[in-house]
Amino acid sequence: GQQLNQSPQSMFIQEGEDVSMNCTSSSIFNTWLWYKQDPGEGPVLLIALYKAGELTSNGRLTAQFGITRKDSFLNISASIPSDVGIYFCAGLIVTSGTYKYIFGTGTRLKVLA
Amino acid sequence: DTEVTQTPKHLVMGMTNKKSLKCEQHMGHRAMYWYKQKAKKPPELMFVYSYEKLSINESVPSRFSPECPNSSLLNLHLHALQPEDSALYLCASSPQGAEGYTFGSGTRLTVV
Repeated sequence: GQQLNQSPQSMFIQEGEDVSMNCTSSSIFNTWLWYKQDPGEGPVLLIALYKAGELTSNGRLTAQFGITRKDSFLNISASIPSDVGIYFCAGLIVTSGTYKYIFGTGTRLKVLA
Repeated sequence: DTEVTQTPKHLVMGMTNKKSLKCEQHMGHRAMYWYKQKAKKPPELMFVYSYEKLSINESVPSRFSPECPNSSLLNLHLHALQPEDSALYLCASSPQGAEGYTFGSGTRLTVV
């Protein structure tokens, strides 16, 4: 089945640094989502991407829908301690008219003050 | 109201117990989902309800039984679970399916 691989798997960065992570697949997706999950909580939607090549920002976060439709990228600028968490990408699959998202393997971010 | 509410937040149950997880949303969303998440893993889809009808069952064992009594409520009935079923169970909803999901905070289930 489809798999979404995220890299890096985890990263430690200093407060104030910029962060880049990506999500890749061997399959084509028509929609990409990026979520952040804090410990013991459900994922929170950060950015949704609906078109190949699309670049969308949400505050310090910027995400791009790869032109091949097989990948997506998330950048965080000037990281702060509350950026700590796990970031998941999710790709949309349409099966017999029903929509479902599958999630990537996650990138665990730790910010050192 | 822009939230998905899940109860209980924590649940410990024995392998012979019957329990239910509840999920509620009042955003008018017509698609609702159950996901299972093990520690340090991504959420895995279990069930999809679309317009109150079960549209996807990802080959989930029958000891998990979903129910959608109305467009705002989603239940997950649990019976004869195994310790390996211990996980965070997440409910989500979306307007019709293709849009981003809104997740609840989850139920942390421990099977003893």
